[in-house]
Amino acid sequence: DAGVTQSPTHLIKTRGQHVTLRCSPISGHKSVSWYQQVLGQGPQFIFQYYEKEERGRGNFPDRFSARQFPNYSSELNVNALLLGDSALYLCASSLDGYEQYFGPGTRLTVT
Amino acid sequence: GESVGLHLPTLSVQEGDNSIINCAYSNSASDYFIWYKQESGKGPQFIIDIRSNMDKRQGQRVTVLLNKTVKHLSLQIAATQPGDSAVYFCALWAGSYQLTFGKGTKLSVIP
Repeated sequence: DAGVTQSPTHLIKTRGQHVTLRCSPISGHKSVSWYQQVLGQGPQFIFQYYEKEERGRGNFPDRFSARQFPNYSSELNVNALLLGDSALYLCASSLDGYEQYFGPGTRLTVT
Repeated sequence: GESVGLHLPTLSVQEGDNSIINCAYSNSASDYFIWYKQESGKGPQFIIDIRSNMDKRQGQRVTVLLNKTVKHLSLQIAATQPGDSAVYFCALWAGSYQLTFGKGTKLSVIP
């Protein structure tokens, strides 16, 4: 079975630009969570979606937004990129939000 | 907010020895705990979880111990192998459908 997939693998953006990251959960999983992982730190929670509804939100500015589609895939959008947004963005899927399985991440570099 | 700490940022063990990685937490209301393994360039990999109504859970070569009295969690890896070299994170369910991660312990296995 395919695990969690994320695209793109890497991307480079300029300050002030907008970025969209994509995630496909494990088949049958209805929940997707997004995390930001800065180098040398543990992942930090951004959002959780379940059945297309936002169920939790971490301490991130409104520049960060997300949505979940009817097929349970998800997008994370970040507007007005800052240098500090450079990180590994991780998507995790789960049946009910608890036991979460992570994808390989998208490495975002903001210059 | 919730804080999750690791007792040691790095740990070196001889191949074949047992490894113990420790984690402390502050919120006594936390009821679900997970250990993840993250290899370089990859997303975190689920290892084992435990709920607060248990104090021990065993998997294949791994054991998680939970001491709610002192708010301490540990991961024991038996007969550590070179493939166990990675960064290990403890994470706990902090409410609002979010996992809070510790900073991680880097395990190095000496052949």
